[in-house]
Amino acid sequence: EPEVTQTPSHQVTQMGQEVILRCVPISNHLYFYWYRQILGQKVEFLVSFYNNEISEKSEIFDDQFSVERPDGSNFTLKIRSTKLEDSAMYFCASIEGSGALYEQYFGPGTRLTVT
Amino acid sequence: AQRVTQPEKLLSVFKGAPVELKCNYSYSGSPELFWYVQYSRQRLQLLLRHISRESIKGFTADLNKGETSFHLKKPFAQEEDSAMYYCALSGAGGYQKVTFGTGTKLQVIP
Repeated sequence: EPEVTQTPSHQVTQMGQEVILRCVPISNHLYFYWYRQILGQKVEFLVSFYNNEISEKSEIFDDQFSVERPDGSNFTLKIRSTKLEDSAMYFCASIEGSGALYEQYFGPGTRLTVT
Repeated sequence: AQRVTQPEKLLSVFKGAPVELKCNYSYSGSPELFWYVQYSRQRLQLLLRHISRESIKGFTADLNKGETSFHLKKPFAQEEDSAMYYCALSGAGGYQKVTFGTGTKLQVIP
C-alpha cells in the first residue's frame, strides 16, 4: 500500500539555523498538510496546500515558516531561523482529492530538536 | 473556534473488559468526526469516521449532536488495542484541516 514518507526521521539543529523537512506524499494525492506535535501536547495544524498555493494556515505558521512543492513529488516545510520552541514532531499528510470519503494519510513524522 | 476534548490521558482496562474513550467537541456547524490511532512506533492512522458508520477492529463510535460527543467503544478489549487514540474533527466538505484532541493512551492489561 502506498505511504507518505518523510525525511529525515530525526533532525538536530542549532537555534537560528534554517531547516528543511521533506515529505513525499502519495503519488496521486492533491492536498497536502503539515502538522506538528510538541512533546506531551496535541497534534496541531500548521498549513494546508493545494494547487501550488497555501489554502489555509494557522497562527503558528508565521513568517519563519514556508512550504513548497518544488517538483512533482516532494512537499517541503522550511523553518528559516529555528527557535527552541520549534522542537517538535512534524507530520506531513495528504489527501487524494477525489471521492466522498477523503482521508488524510500521515507520514511517520520528523523529530526536530533545536538546541 | 473548533475544539476537541479528551478528558482522560490514560485509560487502563483488563483484557476482555469493555472500553469507552470519551470525546467531546465544540464546532459551529456540522463537523466531520474521526478517531485516529497511533500504535507504538507507528504513524497516525485513521481508525474510523462518523460519516461511514462502520465498525473497525470491533470499535464503534456514535455521534451525539445533542451532547456534542463522539465516544469510542469496544465491548471486549484486546491486548493489541493498546495505543494512543486521538479524537479529531474537521469542517464538512472534505479537505479542511483536522483539529485533534490531546489523545488518550489505552493500556490493555493481560
